[in-house]
Amino acid sequence: DAGVIQSPRHEVTEMGQEVTLRCKPISGHNSLFWYRQTMMRGLELLIYFNNNVPIDDSGMPEDRFSAKMPNASFSTLKIQPSEPRDSAVYFCASSSGGSTGELFFGEGSRLTVL
Amino acid sequence: RKEVEQDPGPFNVPEGATVAFNCTYSNSASQSFFWYRQDCRKEPKLLMSVYSSGNEDGRFTAQLNRASQYISLLIRDSKLSDSATYLCVVNLQGNLIFGKGTKLSVKP
Repeated sequence: DAGVIQSPRHEVTEMGQEVTLRCKPISGHNSLFWYRQTMMRGLELLIYFNNNVPIDDSGMPEDRFSAKMPNASFSTLKIQPSEPRDSAVYFCASSSGGSTGELFFGEGSRLTVL
Repeated sequence: RKEVEQDPGPFNVPEGATVAFNCTYSNSASQSFFWYRQDCRKEPKLLMSVYSSGNEDGRFTAQLNRASQYISLLIRDSKLSDSATYLCVVNLQGNLIFGKGTKLSVKP
């Protein structure tokens, strides 16, 4: 079975450019999460969706960040304009809900903003 | 105070050693608890859930003390393949909050 699929795996861009990260959750999972990981701050929740509806976006750093989930099989995280401090690994994860707490993570998108 | 705190390590131990990781959480309303494992440059994966009565999975034992808001993970007879970062995770109203992780390095 396919796991969570993220693209691109790596992106290097220049400050001011728009970045779009993509995620395909595991089929049948109804919750989708976007996390950012850095050495300094660890793994931080940016936003999560339940049944395609954003539930909590309090972790989104600022207006430059936006996330959408137009259907159950696709989500995007967009940064516009990007800044060097946005450099991090961005993980998408999905779960089937319930109390098991198991999140299935994608392999991550490593973003470098020069 | 951070919601989930862990000793960052690194813990450098020889093969066969027993090692324990600790974690504290700040919100007493936290509902469930987990340990995840993250290998270098890989994604986190669930290692085990943590139950109030304590639970064991092979060489791994997890314990929870709700009164002290404290979670632990014990690894016995450590293997080279146990080298990774161990993340303490707390479920607060459906939101999984991750600690920054404790790095373990097991040496031959």
